[in-house]
Amino acid sequence: QSALTQPASVSGSPGQSITISCTGTSSDVGGYNSVSWYQQHPGKAPKLMIYEVSNRPSGVSNRFSGSKSGNTASLTISGLQAEDEADYYCSSYRTSNTLVFGGGTKLTVL
Amino acid sequence: QVQMQQSGPGLVKPSQTLSLTCAISGDSVSSNNAAWNWLRQSPSRGLEWLGRAYYRSKWSYDYALSVKSRITINPDTSKSQFSLQLNAVTPEDTAVYYCARGLMMKGLDSWGQGTLVTVSS
Repeated sequence: QSALTQPASVSGSPGQSITISCTGTSSDVGGYNSVSWYQQHPGKAPKLMIYEVSNRPSGVSNRFSGSKSGNTASLTISGLQAEDEADYYCSSYRTSNTLVFGGGTKLTVL
Repeated sequence: QVQMQQSGPGLVKPSQTLSLTCAISGDSVSSNNAAWNWLRQSPSRGLEWLGRAYYRSKWSYDYALSVKSRITINPDTSKSQFSLQLNAVTPEDTAVYYCARGLMMKGLDSWGQGTLVTVSS
């Protein structure tokens, strides 16, 4: 059982927007602005897409955005493209200096 | 640009020690801004953080509770690399293992290529 809760799957058509949620507790997501989001294509290492809730690393498309409300963080992908089809994971720092991940969400672009 | 290259055996016998190394280029293992992490991924456990080492005037280590009694992360400044040792492995430790760099609280921004480690006799 993962520490953070994500939906197992989401889907959308090209051009649409989707949102993936990530629910934790006040000891992780709700207590720190240290939520990150990762994209993983099959057979590849995860890639950082969002850090500190809503910041994008250099080179990441501005179609990716992040937010947080209480114990739930969200990743929104706008203008869906075929190459966005991948698994997405959220993570957060937790009290006791550890890092916890969500179970992952499979995004299907229809 | 930081690159991380993993090496180590892909097959380990039950009860033995899993050992992997991650060679770093483009950064220093003793950087005051970075933390050096090990993670693993399996269908049953998902993506799981195992631990990290970082230098802030002295070396510090944080480990996941699930492996705390069995894990050691060792930085090697002379070779610009860090290693993972996981003792007393069982088939449940079968996974793809990743090393990754973390910058303060800014996520894990550079990853190794991943190493599939199978625990089997």
